[in-house]
Amino acid sequence: AQKITQTQPGMFVQEKEAVTLDCTYDTSDQSYGLFWYKQPSSGEMIFLIYQGSYDEQNATEGRYSLNFQKARKSANLVISASQLGDSAMYFCAMREGVTSGTYKYIFGTGTRLKVLA
Amino acid sequence: GAGVSQTPSNKVTEKGKYVELRCDPISGHTALYWYRQSLGQGPEFLIYFQGTGAADDSGLPNDRFFAVRPEGSVSTLKIQRTERGDSAVYLCASSSGQGADYEQYFGPGTRLTVT
Repeated sequence: AQKITQTQPGMFVQEKEAVTLDCTYDTSDQSYGLFWYKQPSSGEMIFLIYQGSYDEQNATEGRYSLNFQKARKSANLVISASQLGDSAMYFCAMREGVTSGTYKYIFGTGTRLKVLA
Repeated sequence: GAGVSQTPSNKVTEKGKYVELRCDPISGHTALYWYRQSLGQGPEFLIYFQGTGAADDSGLPNDRFFAVRPEGSVSTLKIQRTERGDSAVYLCASSSGQGADYEQYFGPGTRLTVT
C-alpha cells in the first residue's frame, strides 16, 4: 500500500492566486513527521515546511501553510499568492517515528505545478 | 555555510562496470541518507547512516549496491556490475538528528547513465 499519495500529477494556477496541493498518508505510528519539498527544473530538493504529528497548530512558513487533518490523514500544502517562480515539482514526504523501527523518509510521486502569468 | 555536495555531477558508464558516487554532508550532520530518483518519480530511499553505521539499508535493491561512511562524514555509494536500469539521479541528504522532526538537506545529485 502507498504510504504517501499525491493524486494530482499536474496543477495550474494563475499568478497571485492560492493553490492547494493534496497529500494523504498512511501510518500506524503515533509519532511521525510530514514534509513538503520543492524541486525546480534544476533538480535540487528544497525544504518548504514541516508538520509534526503532535502539533496542534497548522504549520506556516511565509506563503506556505500546511493544512493538517490528522483524522483524515491528510497534509495538504497551500501556497498563497502564487509566483512564477513557484512553478516546480512538489513532493510530500513522511518520516515515521523511531518506534516504527525505521528511519526512512517516504516520498510521494509529486505534483507538477505550473503558475500562469 | 557549505551545503551537501555530491561528486561527480554526471557519470556515464558502460553496462557491467563499477561506479562510486560520493556524498559530502553538511559538517556536523550525523544522519546521512541516499536516495534514487527515476524520471518523473519521487526520491526512493536506499540507505540511512547514523554516524558510521548503516542503521537502515532496507532500500538497497540488491547486493550490487553497497554504501560506506567510514569516518562518519563522507559517504560513498558503490554500484557493481551496473545495469541500464540503474540509470537515475542519486541524491544524498543529511540532517542533524535522527528524530522524525529533523529536516533533510539535499545535495544536487549525481546523474548516472548506464549505456
